[in-house]
Amino acid sequence: QKEVEQNSGPLSVPEGAIASLNCTYSDRVSQSFFWYRQYSGKSPELIMSIYSNGDKEDGRFTAQLNKASQYVSLLIRDSQPSDSATYLCAVKDQGGGNKLTFGTGTQLKVEL
Amino acid sequence: DAGVIQSPRHEVTEMGQEVTLRCKPISGHNSLFWYRQTMMRGLELLIYFNNNVPIDDSGMPEDRFSAKMPNASFSTLKIQPSEPRDSAVYFCASSYLGTAYSPLHFGNGTRLTVT
Repeated sequence: QKEVEQNSGPLSVPEGAIASLNCTYSDRVSQSFFWYRQYSGKSPELIMSIYSNGDKEDGRFTAQLNKASQYVSLLIRDSQPSDSATYLCAVKDQGGGNKLTFGTGTQLKVEL
Repeated sequence: DAGVIQSPRHEVTEMGQEVTLRCKPISGHNSLFWYRQTMMRGLELLIYFNNNVPIDDSGMPEDRFSAKMPNASFSTLKIQPSEPRDSAVYFCASSYLGTAYSPLHFGNGTRLTVT
């Protein structure tokens, strides 16, 4: 059973701080990694993707991947109240066709 | 561009009734996915299609669930008979099959309540 693990939270950070969200996965052949944001009552929306070891930056968001440790993270700089949502980590592997396996998500609360 | 379109947005039905959920993927996408989301279990993949062909239905809970994709622009997920434990949000998603790096794009979901 391929698994994607996330701490459910809630993770509370003050406005302007860095939020760090973590995800581990069990399948070593996993190839592509995605972070989705889901507001309450809404559908997941893609915010970042990463495929190679290291960091990938997009605005206030940085995704970090370490395949040796089977670990992927998302950093949100200068956190805003509008960042309050559930963040879902998703993993695609080489042999899985085109499907994504999702973690259960981490709830982030950015407090004023 | 229109995104993934799902209907209905909300469905309330009584136990034992048949429920049909509908999905129109993004034009040009050739992979389609049905997920179910609950508080307890998160997002679970039920079934997915590549080029209208079902590839993996191992997530379909039981024979009460069935899915079809008669053409590239339409898919249905049917539950017959429905049970209260089927209450959840059902998402349809689509992507382009051709690279390992293509993400999934989700529809707005159907919130199903079975009483």
